[in-house]
Amino acid sequence: QQQVRQSPQSLTVWEGGTTVLTCSYEDSTFNYFPWYQQFPGEGPALLISILSVSDKKEDGRFTTFFNKREKKLSLHIIDSQPGDSATYFCAAMGSSGNKLIFGIGTLLSVKP
Amino acid sequence: EAAVTQSPRNKVTVTGGNVTLSCRQTNSHNYMYWYRQDTGHGLRLIHYSYGAGNLQIGDVPDGYKATRTTQEDFFLLLELASPSQTSLYFCASRVTGQDTQYFGPGTRLLVL
Repeated sequence: QQQVRQSPQSLTVWEGGTTVLTCSYEDSTFNYFPWYQQFPGEGPALLISILSVSDKKEDGRFTTFFNKREKKLSLHIIDSQPGDSATYFCAAMGSSGNKLIFGIGTLLSVKP
Repeated sequence: EAAVTQSPRNKVTVTGGNVTLSCRQTNSHNYMYWYRQDTGHGLRLIHYSYGAGNLQIGDVPDGYKATRTTQEDFFLLLELASPSQTSLYFCASRVTGQDTQYFGPGTRLLVL
């Protein structure tokens, strides 16, 4: 059973549009939620992260939202660019702080 | 920027073969991880370690062994490879007290 559920599995948006990726989880001990970005032929790299004590974090065009009551998080990309085309993984980590649980990933394609 | 290298980058073996995947980090990170990435499953943790000589079992350990010989080097061993182990393998590292994991470029393994 997947502990971190991610949707959609793939998504196509037009350049300039807003991308929204979502994840949900069950384990209420999870308290750290990173998003990783992976380009073809490369390993994942941290894009943005949020702790469960916050509900929003911004970094330029990227914003992650966290809803503790609903156990959901989302990643919003405004003014999406073709260079944003990549696979995005949400993940979660609990209080032990030793390992991440990843979602299945979303393959994003931004068309010019 | 943290540096994690993996070798080989590509490997082909036959069923029942013996394979060793290597990972080296020069960041003085104490935690190192081995993941496999498969479509529809995302990244799944195989084994991890928090220092030389230490080994922790991950979420999908069956058929894999690992060994951490030094602070820098972490090896993944497939002693009787099976086609189900055909996958993209990533190594990652992080330092205690920080949550960001730094990933290597990956090793693509094909078991015929």
